[in-house]
Amino acid sequence: GQNIDQPTEMTATEGAIVQINCTYQTSGFNGLFWYQQHAGEAPTFLSYNVLDGLEEKGRFSSFLSRSKGYSYLLLKELQMKDSASYLCAPKDSNYQLIWGAGTKLIIKP
Amino acid sequence: IAGITQAPTSQILAAGRRMTLRCTQDMRHNAMYWYRQDLGLGLRLIHYSNTAGTTGKGEVPDGYSVSRANTDDFPLTLASAVPSQTSVYFCASSGGHDTDTQYFGPGTRLTVL
Repeated sequence: GQNIDQPTEMTATEGAIVQINCTYQTSGFNGLFWYQQHAGEAPTFLSYNVLDGLEEKGRFSSFLSRSKGYSYLLLKELQMKDSASYLCAPKDSNYQLIWGAGTKLIIKP
Repeated sequence: IAGITQAPTSQILAAGRRMTLRCTQDMRHNAMYWYRQDLGLGLRLIHYSNTAGTTGKGEVPDGYSVSRANTDDFPLTLASAVPSQTSVYFCASSGGHDTDTQYFGPGTRLTVL
């Protein structure tokens, strides 16, 4: 079957760095997306990895290891507005996104 | 319109009633999707459409139907609502310059009593 594992909740301090891990098992693989979702709002696109390695985009970076079925999202210089859920979503052999339940990130001052 | 719109924003519905959730995009995206999101679960795909005139079933299609008469609109119909269909429904689209990324509408919060 297809499975996505992310921590349910994480807490971090404003100004710090946090890494949100995601492991996945899918039938085939065609890239992996990370989305941010604030409470009561729609998911918004953060990053996309299709090859192994690190993709950096401002304060956010995403890493992928296809052989390990593993990705992480790295958030630097945390701000209060980063409090949200972060959704890991690999794309399977049918090019459909398989969504994890998400990691709720709580930022404390 | 800019992006994807959904209507209504929220709705309370009696069980057994018929309901259509509307979704419109102005990005000329080929593909559109309907998801439901329930607490503690990931987004689950209900139906999708890769292009106007075609539709497909997702992970949880039972009790729902869709149509794709044109590029812009992708309505989702609950023929006879049941309480287990209480959820937040998101419409999304992908295509155009960035063919893989899905862009989401603001969602419809549906309560079936």
